[in-house]
Amino acid sequence: AQSVTQLGSHVSVSEGALVLLRCNYSSSVPPYLFWYVQYPNQGLQLLLKYTTGATLVKGINGFEAEFKKSETSFHLTKPSAHMSDAAEYFCAVVTGNQFYFGTGTSLTVIP
Amino acid sequence: KAGVTQTPRYLIKTRGQQVTLSCSPISGHRSVSWYQQTPGQGLQFLFEYFSETQRNKGNFPGRFSGRQFSNSRSEMNVSTLELGDSALYLCASSPGTGKLYTEAFFGQGTRLTVV
Repeated sequence: AQSVTQLGSHVSVSEGALVLLRCNYSSSVPPYLFWYVQYPNQGLQLLLKYTTGATLVKGINGFEAEFKKSETSFHLTKPSAHMSDAAEYFCAVVTGNQFYFGTGTSLTVIP
Repeated sequence: KAGVTQTPRYLIKTRGQQVTLSCSPISGHRSVSWYQQTPGQGLQFLFEYFSETQRNKGNFPGRFSGRQFSNSRSEMNVSTLELGDSALYLCASSPGTGKLYTEAFFGQGTRLTVV
């Protein structure tokens, strides 16, 4: 069975500070890994994804994530938080024909 | 290129009624998946359709059903609505072949409220 664990359901950072959202997964096969962002009453917007190749993945809005197989992790980072980054973030793994999502991390950016 | 379109965006229904939600995928995409999002359970997989066939199904009761048409548009139906069915229902569109979800895109969702 696949599972995704997001440590910290709520994370607060100051504007301009480093954003670090944690994601660990369990998968019996090499996974496809994703980070999505969701704004209130909106759908999921893809931030970045890892399928194969380079383990450091760059996404939109200055976000990046590194796939670490030995740690089964895919943490999301951004060097400098912006007010517009306040949202819910979901890590997901895909195997077979479906996504398995983490429970989400709500990011608050403090001015 | 148009995105994934879900209609309606908001619905209010009464317990015991049934509801049909619609999802139009990106042109050329043949796979449509449905997810239910609630505060308590998070995002849960309902089912996936590819070329009018259900390929995969999540752990939901038979009150939840779906179908896909020849133009890849998909509908999901929930019968005998319960209060617990109140949720944001999201559909995902993907090409459906090869690396299936490397090109998945989500719609804006339908917010269903059951009263």
